[in-house]
Amino acid sequence: EDKVVQSPLSLVVHEGDTVTLNCSYEVTNFRSLLWYKQEKKAPTFLFMLTSSGIEKKSGRLSSILDKKELSSILNITATQTGDSAIYLCAVNSGSEKLVFGKGTKLTVNP
Amino acid sequence: NAGVTQTPKFQVLKTGQSMTLQCAQDMNHNSMYWYRQDPGMGLRLIYYSASEGTTDKGEVPNGYNVSRLNKREFSLRLESAAPSQTSVYFCASSPGSAPSYEQYFGPGTRLTVT
Repeated sequence: EDKVVQSPLSLVVHEGDTVTLNCSYEVTNFRSLLWYKQEKKAPTFLFMLTSSGIEKKSGRLSSILDKKELSSILNITATQTGDSAIYLCAVNSGSEKLVFGKGTKLTVNP
Repeated sequence: NAGVTQTPKFQVLKTGQSMTLQCAQDMNHNSMYWYRQDPGMGLRLIYYSASEGTTDKGEVPNGYNVSRLNKREFSLRLESAAPSQTSVYFCASSPGSAPSYEQYFGPGTRLTVT
């Protein structure tokens, strides 16, 4: 059975801190790994990763995939209160479905 | 473009009542999905439809039925609601093409069953 595990499950930091969120997976036929941010409502897409070692970057957020370690990290530098959200990791293993982890709840305090 | 829309936004049901959650997308996507989200559980797939005319069970299908009415619309029906079905329900759609299967989500329906 395909599985995605995120850690930590929750994290509280102060504004300006740098955080690293982890996602590990066990799937039968890896195709891609996706990161989503969920604030009050629907998850919104952040990154899609398919190749090891290639960093995707958007402003203060960046992510990288390690296929040998079956994992990915999402880094957020100089955190702001607006970064407070649940961050979801999902993996596609060659079908139309995504398998989601339980998410990491990030709280950024002023 | 409205993207993915869902109705209703909120609903309260009594145990045993039935209801249908509606979802529509205007992105010409092939695949559509229904998830439920409970605290600490992430997103769990209830049913999905890879293309018009097909539906398949996901991880937690019991107590639910779906209809892919056409390419745009995918509805979720609760025939006899139970308190365990209290949750936030998200509909999503995807182009359905490899390798990403990136999914776009609707705003969600918050359902309470008393």
